[in-house]
Amino acid sequence: QQPVQSPQAVILREGEDAVINCSSSKALYSVHWYRQKHGEAPVFLMILLKGGEQKGHEKISASFNEKKQQSSLYLTASQLSYSGTYFCGTEGAGRRALTFGSGTRLQVQP
Amino acid sequence: KAGVTQTPRYLIKTRGQQVTLSCSPISGHRSVSWYQQTPGQGLQFLFEYFSETQRNKGNFPGRFSGRQFSNSRSEMNVSTLELGDSALYLCASSEWGTDTQYFGPGTRLTVL
Repeated sequence: QQPVQSPQAVILREGEDAVINCSSSKALYSVHWYRQKHGEAPVFLMILLKGGEQKGHEKISASFNEKKQQSSLYLTASQLSYSGTYFCGTEGAGRRALTFGSGTRLQVQP
Repeated sequence: KAGVTQTPRYLIKTRGQQVTLSCSPISGHRSVSWYQQTPGQGLQFLFEYFSETQRNKGNFPGRFSGRQFSNSRSEMNVSTLELGDSALYLCASSEWGTDTQYFGPGTRLTVL
């Protein structure tokens, strides 16, 4: 079953923060976050594993709430380069296939 | 290391034809997955190969098939093309034992 992402779209000014949520109705083993710019391939951002720690680098971090089967991606002090569509991909136990959400379109304006 | 490469990048076919897409994974990566991306359905998993064996398969009709060679390169084939097969086909590779998948640039297939 496809995870649900929210919001569907968000517009920010440079320097503002954003949170993108990903929720699944099934038990998850891992959550993967990708960013895709128009006409380009999805680029891996980070992976959160069941029982793992919150991950992040620089101003992009994420968390995974195993009890709620939810993950959140945190974008701090956004930059123009953050613009794109963010996808979460979820993976159930024993299955290596990723099921992707419908994406969150993020636009950062000057 | 070079990234995942896919050929061709763009393809135009007509209904009823068949098509073969190619994917070369990152050197050392033995797992290759294929995804279909459309505006309406988003990113959907097609299948995954490891060591020339299909390990997982998504919910696509039998017209969609794939294979993997001993050098880990993979191909996917779509027979009897339909208009709805127009999409961006993405290939992703990963090292077995890790979960991170790295995507190629994709092949844009247009069916007329």
